[in-house]
Order: sequence, then C-alpha cells, then structure tokens
Amino acid sequence: DVKVTQSSRYLVKRTGEKVFLECVQDMDHENMFWYRQDPGLGLRLIYFSYDVKMKEKGDIPEGYSVSREKKERFSLILESASTNQTSMYLCASSSPPGAYGYTFGSGTRLTVV
Amino acid sequence: KQEVTQIPAALSVPEGENLVLNCSFTDSAIYNLQWFRQDPGKGLTSLLLIQSSQREQTSGRLNASLDKSSGRSTLYIAASQPGDSATYLCAVNSAGNMLTFGGGTRLMVKP
Repeated sequence: DVKVTQSSRYLVKRTGEKVFLECVQDMDHENMFWYRQDPGLGLRLIYFSYDVKMKEKGDIPEGYSVSREKKERFSLILESASTNQTSMYLCASSSPPGAYGYTFGSGTRLTVV
Repeated sequence: KQEVTQIPAALSVPEGENLVLNCSFTDSAIYNLQWFRQDPGKGLTSLLLIQSSQREQTSGRLNASLDKSSGRSTLYIAASQPGDSATYLCAVNSAGNMLTFGGGTRLMVKP
C-alpha cells in the first residue's frame, strides 16, 4: 500500500515563526499536493508539484512556499506564521492519472498562537 | 470549471439501514472519481476509485457507481454500523490530474 507520512500530527507555533511541514511518500509518485481544510470551506489546494524541483500554485498560495528537492519529499513552508493559518494541513500524492488515485497523509493540525 | 455537489450534507440513521450517498459533477470529462472517508481530526482514507470507463466498484459493504454522462455517482453502504459514522467525500479527478471535492456528507449511525 502507498504510504504518505506527515511528520507531525499536532503543532503549536507562535506568530511570526517560520514553520516547516514535511510530507514523505514511498511509492515513487510524481505528483504531490498540499491542502488545507477548514470548517465550512472544505479542502483548498495550496501548492502542488509534478516533479522534483517543480512547483505550481494552487488556489490559496499566499503566505506559503514549498520545496521538493527529492521525489519522495514535499515540504510546505509558512514563512511567517499567522493566526489565520491555523488549520488542518493535508498532504497527498498520486501517479499520473489515474490508475491508483490519490493517497492522503494523516494530516497535521497546526495551531498558531 | 468542475463543480462537485454532495447530497445530503448530513444524515443520521439507525444501525442496520442501507444508505445511499449522492455526488454530482458538472463536467463529464473526468479521469476517475474517488470516494474518501474522513474521521474527525484525521486524514482522508480512500474507499473506492472508479475509472471513467467503469460503471461501479465494490469493496465489502460498499458499492460505488458512476454515470459519467449524467454526472452522477452514488455510494451505497449496506447494513450500516456505528463504526461507519464519519464524513464521506466525493472527489472528481479531471484536467491536469486535479481533484475537485464535494462538500461531504456527515454520516451518523446510531446503535
């Protein structure tokens, strides 16, 4: 089974801190994605990547950046955390469409105080 | 732009009932459709994946159907159990391998 591992289940950070959320997948998938999920707003795509060193903006990239130095790892970076970035963050990976669909990680609940 | 709608938004049933959750989408040019389950505070677990050329997929008590031409999918849950209580999300994979999610159906199965 494909596994997508997010390094932290819960994080509490202070306003203004630089925050790194890590995601690793073990099935050699080309495509990786970062979403945030908020009550009433559903899942919103922040950034995605089709290959190493590549990144594309999703629907809500403001305040975030990403890094993909290796195929299996996709990092989400909050340059200067703010309270409105308190959310559940979900990482996913997939092969090109679409024999196996998307696989999601278990999520990181980030609280910015 | 693809839009995905799930009906109902919430559902509460007694244990043992058979359930149908509905998903509709506006653009029939899809690669596949995926049903996920999400427990509170957790990530998404894939339940069933239906390719655009398929009509249905089954896994245990779950059966998902796809009618691409009419833009509809249903998730059928047989003999519901309290452990089935969760939010169920429908997601359509279309242009550029991008998922579009429905708003979800929040299911509660009462003992």
